[in-house]
Amino acid sequence: DGGITQSPKYLFRKEGQNVTLSCEQNLNHDAMYWYRQDPGQGLRLIYYSQIVNDFQKGDIAEGYSVSREKKESFPLTVTSAQKNPTAFYLCASSIPRSGANVLTFGAGSRLTVL
Amino acid sequence: GIQVEQSPPDLILQEGANSTLRCNFSDSVNNLQWFHQNPWGQLINLFYIPSGTKQNGRLSATTVATERYSLLYISSSQTTDSGVYFCAVEATTDSWGKLQFGAGTQVVVTP
Repeated sequence: DGGITQSPKYLFRKEGQNVTLSCEQNLNHDAMYWYRQDPGQGLRLIYYSQIVNDFQKGDIAEGYSVSREKKESFPLTVTSAQKNPTAFYLCASSIPRSGANVLTFGAGSRLTVL
Repeated sequence: GIQVEQSPPDLILQEGANSTLRCNFSDSVNNLQWFHQNPWGQLINLFYIPSGTKQNGRLSATTVATERYSLLYISSSQTTDSGVYFCAVEATTDSWGKLQFGAGTQVVVTP
């Protein structure tokens, strides 16, 4: 079955450590996204990538970094510069059909910084 | 950037009841989607509906793009409908792919 796999599902880290969250998709989608969700709030866009080797900052990119070396993979690194990294992180992918851009989401990664 | 407001923020329903969720947006859009987030955090796309009306089982949605709002209707609600419903939009003035989410409507359906 095609889908998006995020790992790990839960992650605990000490303050000041960098953390990398994995996102892999086998849907053959061109575009991939990272969103952050805080309790009781909507999703905020961190980074997105329309094609391999290209990505754009979203609304809250500070303290995060990404790479897109393969179509299937879009890892997110939460750096020590991110002031409040504890959150639920969601990866998504999409492929435009006649202009539509419908997102498919992974199950999410919950990061807790101690 | 575009503003997205959802109402009501919370909704408690008895099983079998009908409800309407609203999404207002501040600018012209070329993309509007409704999502359901289950209690475990998984987001599922319900509708892609930048304009017009669509139905899928007990759910239906209507977007009036000229008046900048969309409505999601839940009929004969079931406990499995519980969760958070999000509206997400992409402004025509934004770069491709920048979907902005509202704060969501938390729905609880009681037996």
